[in-house]
Amino acid sequence: EVQLVESGGGLVHPGGSLRLSCAASGFTFSRYWMHWVRQAPGEGLVWVSRISDDGYTTFYADSVKGRFTISRDNAKNTLFLQMNSLRVEDTAVYYCARDRPYCGGGRCYGAGMDVWGQGTTVTVSS
Amino acid sequence: DIVMTQSPDSLAVSLGERATINCKSSQSVFYSSNNQSNLAWYQQKPGQPPKLLIYLASMRESGVPDRFSGSGSGTDFTLTISSLQAEDVAVYYCQQYYSNPLTFGGGTKVEIK
Repeated sequence: EVQLVESGGGLVHPGGSLRLSCAASGFTFSRYWMHWVRQAPGEGLVWVSRISDDGYTTFYADSVKGRFTISRDNAKNTLFLQMNSLRVEDTAVYYCARDRPYCGGGRCYGAGMDVWGQGTTVTVSS
Repeated sequence: DIVMTQSPDSLAVSLGERATINCKSSQSVFYSSNNQSNLAWYQQKPGQPPKLLIYLASMRESGVPDRFSGSGSGTDFTLTISSLQAEDVAVYYCQQYYSNPLTFGGGTKVEIK
């Protein structure tokens, strides 16, 4: 079964740090780009970051750039999100998600997020 | 950044009737290289993660019932549920996959009338 399981969430004070993990199983993890997406309580979805299959290319939302770092360990089938200098507004459920590739015309593109974890809750509060 | 605007914010539809959700992007998300619009639709039920329904604006993800369809190109897109079922009650999001940062619409809540 294709599965993503997040962990590492919790309660942290403003300015603190957390490291989220996402364990992948049931598919060849090293062949897929991966994402982090968050959802504040009662709010919509916000993309946070994505990383290439080999881990060398990363992108971030402006709101987290310089504070969050996405990384992966393909040998351990695990995705990470290191979150530093946390703010109250970072409070959310954090989902990891698999990039859905679409291949055509000799190239492959990301075309959606087809597998999602259940999420891990991060609460930033004093 | 590409801004995604969904309408309406919510709608109530009778069982068996059609539900239509609109999504507009602030700039085109059309890839001329593959002749496709890089737009996805997701369904999120309460307490659950999102589920991919449609990718490349009109391609139905495997296992998604055929009452769900996507249409549109460039900047204007539509998700249609042809015959609303009770299990379709959810919030629906569009997302552009054309450029970083990837952005979602604000969501449309679909309820039973």
